[in-house]
Amino acid sequence: ILNVEQSPQSLHVQEGDSTSFTCSFPSSNFYALHWYRWETAKSPEALFVMTLNGDEKKKGRISATLNTKEGYSYLYIKGSQPEDSATYLCAPLRAGNNRKLIWGLGTSLAVNP
Amino acid sequence: EAGVAQSPRYKIIEKRQSVAFWCNPISGHATLYWYQQILGQGPKLLIQFQNNGVVDDSQLPKDRFSAERLKGVDSTLKIQPAKLEDSAVYLCASSLLRSYEQYFGPGTRLTVT
Repeated sequence: ILNVEQSPQSLHVQEGDSTSFTCSFPSSNFYALHWYRWETAKSPEALFVMTLNGDEKKKGRISATLNTKEGYSYLYIKGSQPEDSATYLCAPLRAGNNRKLIWGLGTSLAVNP
Repeated sequence: EAGVAQSPRYKIIEKRQSVAFWCNPISGHATLYWYQQILGQGPKLLIQFQNNGVVDDSQLPKDRFSAERLKGVDSTLKIQPAKLEDSAVYLCASSLLRSYEQYFGPGTRLTVT
């Protein structure tokens, strides 16, 4: 069983601040890593799917990097806005016949106007 | 494109009562997932269907939980009888066959009193 750790557990920033958080996972049997954003009272929404070591993906002000050798991924938000307030979940997918996402506990981000 | 539909959005029941949740996945998505998300924890996969067959139900408490996906489209998840610890958000997600990017419904928030 994979141990997925996300840090920090929660984060409060001011509008305009840039911020980042971490997802760490055992590097063995790695297949892919998913990042999701979950706003309160809405559906979790897929942000990125990353597979290759050194991958970097970007969507607007949000970007993510992946290091499969050491088992971590960073999510960055540049110039945070109140609408970025959400829980950010990472979920690695392990290789093998029984592939399924293993979810972290998430980082809860609150952006104060 | 219509998203994943779930109903009801909210449900309050007393312990030992029964409850059922409904999910309609995105058209053409062969894989359907039911997750339980307890406050402060990551989503926990309860059951995964591929078409109308069960792929993984290893974390489904089968003494009280049941799920079906007749005709490989809609699905229902039932709890009978409910316990206090079943209070959670129940998420349904779907994905294309062999794709691990999941699309989530808005969830059903269950409160057991």
